[in-house]
Amino acid sequence: QQQVKQSPQSLIVQKGGISIINCAYENTAFDYFPWYQQFPGKGPALLIAIRPDVSEKKEGRFTISFNKSAKQFSLHIMDSQPGDSATYFCACGGSNYKLTFGKGTLLTVNP
Amino acid sequence: DGGITQSPKYLFRKEGQNVTLSCEQNLNHDAMYWYRQDPGQGLRLIYYSQIVNDFQKGDIAEGYSVSREKKESFPLTVTSAQKNPTAFYLCASTPGGTLNSPLHFGNGTRLTVT
Repeated sequence: QQQVKQSPQSLIVQKGGISIINCAYENTAFDYFPWYQQFPGKGPALLIAIRPDVSEKKEGRFTISFNKSAKQFSLHIMDSQPGDSATYFCACGGSNYKLTFGKGTLLTVNP
Repeated sequence: DGGITQSPKYLFRKEGQNVTLSCEQNLNHDAMYWYRQDPGQGLRLIYYSQIVNDFQKGDIAEGYSVSREKKESFPLTVTSAQKNPTAFYLCASTPGGTLNSPLHFGNGTRLTVT
């Protein structure tokens, strides 16, 4: 079964707009929720992460919103730039030190 | 510069042949991981190792094998038993013991089996 559901699969945003990517999970034992950014031909890199004791975390133009009761979290990219064009993965982690990834969202920011 | 080196970047093999993908890290990390990435499928865990001489199966271990004889190295062998081996393979590491630290990924090996 798919433990982490990510949507949308692809997203096109104009420069300066807000990009929003959503993830939903099933396992209530998850307690670590990172977002990774991947450029073509490269490995993913950590963008921002949150733990369930807070509902929001902001780093620059990137914000994670977390809803524990709904088992959902989202990535918001403010003032999106063409350089943000990449594939974004949400992930969930727990005490077994493994991450379960969503299927990814291809973001295209048009100039 | 510390990091993870995966080699080669592109690898081509004939069906029925085993192939070994290299992963070396100089970050002094305890834990290492192998993920497989297919278009639209995200990253799926093949094997992971939290300490030298120990490793565990991930979600899609069938047709793969690993070894962890040295802290710095975690090679992955794709055997002829893997039914659909063509994919992008990513190696990663963390200091271990906790997921507070991010996964550090290499730049991957793209394997094509024909």
